[in-house]
Amino acid sequence: EVQLLESGGGLVQPGGSLRLSCAASGFTFSSSAMSWVRQAPGQGLEWVSSITPSGDGTYYADSVKGRFTISRDNSKSTLYLQMNSLGADDTAVYYCAKDSPVATIWGQGALVTVSS
Amino acid sequence: EIVMTQSPATLSVSPGERATLSCRASQSVSSNLAWYQQKPGQAPRLLIYGASTRATGIPARFSGSGSGTEFTLTISSLQSEDFAVYYCQQYNKWPPGTFGQGTKVEIK
Repeated sequence: EVQLLESGGGLVQPGGSLRLSCAASGFTFSSSAMSWVRQAPGQGLEWVSSITPSGDGTYYADSVKGRFTISRDNSKSTLYLQMNSLGADDTAVYYCAKDSPVATIWGQGALVTVSS
Repeated sequence: EIVMTQSPATLSVSPGERATLSCRASQSVSSNLAWYQQKPGQAPRLLIYGASTRATGIPARFSGSGSGTEFTLTISSLQSEDFAVYYCQQYNKWPPGTFGQGTKVEIK
């Protein structure tokens, strides 16, 4: 069974940093592009970032470019999202998703709250 | 950036009835459109990609149609588990893969 399990969410002060992780299992991680999609409270879905299977290609939404960094460790079947210079607008549930640009399988999400 | 507009915002339907959801793109996205279902407190689930291809395990009562700028998701006979929010997403001009604002299907 394909599973994606996010971790690393929590409360962070404005201007702070946080790193999300997504542990994957049940499929060949190194063969799959991966994505992060977020959802602000009560709002719709917003694509954040994607990475190619080997990690040599990364893509970002304009809203996070220069602040967020997506990466992966294929030896650990784990996807990461390093988030810096966080602001209130970054408060959201962050979902890890298999494949890109169509997200075929989604994790349960990690809540990131940016507040003082 | 391509803007995706879904209508209606809320659709009230009785169980067993047909539901028709619309998604319009601000410019042509060919058939590069996906539909997702999200139930309260849960992650989204992929229903349809390529405008009309059902994802693995999706029941046949879900069907997608359209191309260019106009798309439709049809649920032929609503079941209790189908009451949810539905999002469309274009991926013709990617990145970014822009989503619509969602249509909530509620019990009438």
